[in-house]
Amino acid sequence: DAGVTQSPTHLIKTRGQQVTLRCSPKSGHDTVSWYQQALGQGPQFIFQYYEEEERQRGNFPDRFSGHQFPNYSSELNVNALLLGDSALYLCASSLGIGTATYEQYFGPGTRLTVT
Amino acid sequence: GENVEQHPSTLSVQEGDSAVIKCTYSDSASNYFPWYKQELGKGPQLIIDIRSNVGEKKDQRIAVTLNKTAKHFSLHITETQPEDSAVYFCAASLYNFNKFYFGSGTKLNVKP
Repeated sequence: DAGVTQSPTHLIKTRGQQVTLRCSPKSGHDTVSWYQQALGQGPQFIFQYYEEEERQRGNFPDRFSGHQFPNYSSELNVNALLLGDSALYLCASSLGIGTATYEQYFGPGTRLTVT
Repeated sequence: GENVEQHPSTLSVQEGDSAVIKCTYSDSASNYFPWYKQELGKGPQLIIDIRSNVGEKKDQRIAVTLNKTAKHFSLHITETQPEDSAVYFCAASLYNFNKFYFGSGTKLNVKP
C-alpha cells in the first residue's frame, strides 16, 4: 500500500520565480492538505482540497494556490517567490471531510530553497 | 484560531528512562489530538492520537493523556531506546475541519 508521495524531493529557485510541487495521496484517501515547515518549527497549515475544491485556508497570501485532480492528487503553486518561502513543504492525506476518520498521513516533503 | 504550546523544546534522557512531553491548547472546541514523530530529512509520522471523549490511550511503550478541563495533553514514552531519538510534534484540530495546529516540537535525545 503506497503511502503519500511527493515530488520533487529538493528544489532550488530564484526570488521572483514560480514553483509547482506535487503530491499523491495515500491509497483510498480523497483529501489533501498542504503544510509549510520552516526550519526548527512545526508545520503550518496552508490549505486543504477535497472534491477538487479548496475547502479551508490558513494564513497564507494569494501567492500560494493549489489544485486537486480527479484522481485526488494535488499541486501546490507558489508565485513571486520570496526568500522567506524557503521551507519544507509537506503534503498530508486523509479521508473526506466530515467522515469519522481524523488521521492525516504525511509525505516526505519537498525541500524548497529560494536564493 | 487555535494556539498550541509544547514543552520542553529539548529533552535528553538515558536509555531505559521515561520521557514526557506536554502540550496545551487554547480552543476548547478542539477534539482531536495527534502526536507525530519526525526524523531528520523525513515527513512527520503519526505515532498515536486521542479523541476528546477519551482520557488516555496506550500503544505498547507510548501513551497519551488528555485533560479537557485544563486543555492540556501529554505524550509518555517508557523504556526509551536510541531509535526513539527524533523531533516530536503535538497537534490539535476540530475533527470536522481536519485542519491541524502544531506545537513547536520537542527534540528528544536518548543516550545509550
